[in-house]
Amino acid sequence: GNSVTQMEGPVTLSEEAFLTINCTYTATGYPSLFWYVQYPGEGLQLLLKATKADDKGSNKGFEATYRKETTSFHLEKGSVQVSDSAVYFCALNRDNDKIIFGKGTRLHILP
Amino acid sequence: DTAVSQTPKYLVTQMGNDKSIKCEQNLGHDTMYWYKQDSKKFLKIMFSYNNKELIINETVPNRFSPKSPDKAHLNLHINSLELGDSAVYFCASSPRGTGAAGSPYEQYFGPGTRLTVT
Repeated sequence: GNSVTQMEGPVTLSEEAFLTINCTYTATGYPSLFWYVQYPGEGLQLLLKATKADDKGSNKGFEATYRKETTSFHLEKGSVQVSDSAVYFCALNRDNDKIIFGKGTRLHILP
Repeated sequence: DTAVSQTPKYLVTQMGNDKSIKCEQNLGHDTMYWYKQDSKKFLKIMFSYNNKELIINETVPNRFSPKSPDKAHLNLHINSLELGDSAVYFCASSPRGTGAAGSPYEQYFGPGTRLTVT
């Protein structure tokens, strides 16, 4: 079946460090891929998305590229800030009405 | 201006009680969802409605009953609450896709309702 696997956290980095959160997926066909972010005490909000192979989604300095050949959608940011501390969820939409989420990766950024 | 709103934000109740959580969206979306997030932040879909019709019903105890009076509202009623029901419940909405696989439409989440059963 369809599934999403992302690296387990927590991930702790110093401010201005480079961030990578790995995400791989299993799905037939061509799912749409998403990264959602959940700040403390809030609901999830869309961070970025990509809807076809080789697309790059970007927002707020974060980027992720849809890699069909490696079934991956890794999240990257060149220089993280304390305000980026949150839980990040990788997700896919294969069946139109149902988004499948990864288990989430908690990110801590130290000043 | 709130796109997806839920009430209440916090709910503390005793085992065996019946409670409801309300959700409303003002985005004009056709599809609404309920998710349960456990203490480890794992997010699991429970139900989805499209234009008041149930389209996703995951393996959820029948003590949980969603109700959609119109496409802007999706409420969740829980009977005979148990300790294991303690979690954060999120409502979400999205535009209906085209019917093709791989919908590009993201979901918009409410702020969550933290349910604590004692």
